[in-house]
Amino acid sequence: GENVEQHPSTLSVQEGDSAVIKCTYSDSASNYFPWYKQELGKGPQLIIDIRSNVGEKKDQRIAVTLNKTAKHFSLHITETQPEDSAVYFCAASGAGSQGNLIFGKGTKLSVKP
Amino acid sequence: DGGITQSPKYLFRKEGQNVTLSCEQNLNHDAMYWYRQDPGQGLRLIYYSQIVNDFQKGDIAEGYSVSREKKESFPLTVTSAQKNPTAFYLCASSIVHGAGANVLTFGAGSRLTVL
Repeated sequence: GENVEQHPSTLSVQEGDSAVIKCTYSDSASNYFPWYKQELGKGPQLIIDIRSNVGEKKDQRIAVTLNKTAKHFSLHITETQPEDSAVYFCAASGAGSQGNLIFGKGTKLSVKP
Repeated sequence: DGGITQSPKYLFRKEGQNVTLSCEQNLNHDAMYWYRQDPGQGLRLIYYSQIVNDFQKGDIAEGYSVSREKKESFPLTVTSAQKNPTAFYLCASSIVHGAGANVLTFGAGSRLTVL
């Protein structure tokens, strides 16, 4: 079945710097790759997603890139702000996982003012 | 406002007791899910339901049970057979279930502690 690896597990940056979180997946049949942000004591919220027919997608300060050949995808946050501090999860799904999302173990991002 | 409501937010249980976590959605979504979250472990799928009166086991279903009698409701029972039930439980829903279509909306979670 699908396996998703996420790195790093923790990331600390200064306000205004960029942050990059990387994920790899094992099932070449996976075709949907969302990113979720979880603030303390809350449920995760979708912040951006990408499908396998697209290589890059941007939404203001966040962007996701996908390399299908290498089976990895990354989240990029530019001009980080303290409110970006949270746990970020990547996930993958496709026919191989019966459509279920398989999540990475999460990255705790801390943005220092 | 549409969303998912989980209750209770905090729950304490003695060993050997069954407990039921509530999940209600008013998004008119067909699919609903239960995930378990442990520190450093990400989200692991317990059960999911694609439609009323139907549900399937996820990756860690042992010791749990669910029902889907109404579209809006998907309660999770943590039974005494679950060896390590202390965790944060998340309910989610999506419009439909299928590869490439799983945009999940999550509830705020229920934290279960076994004393």
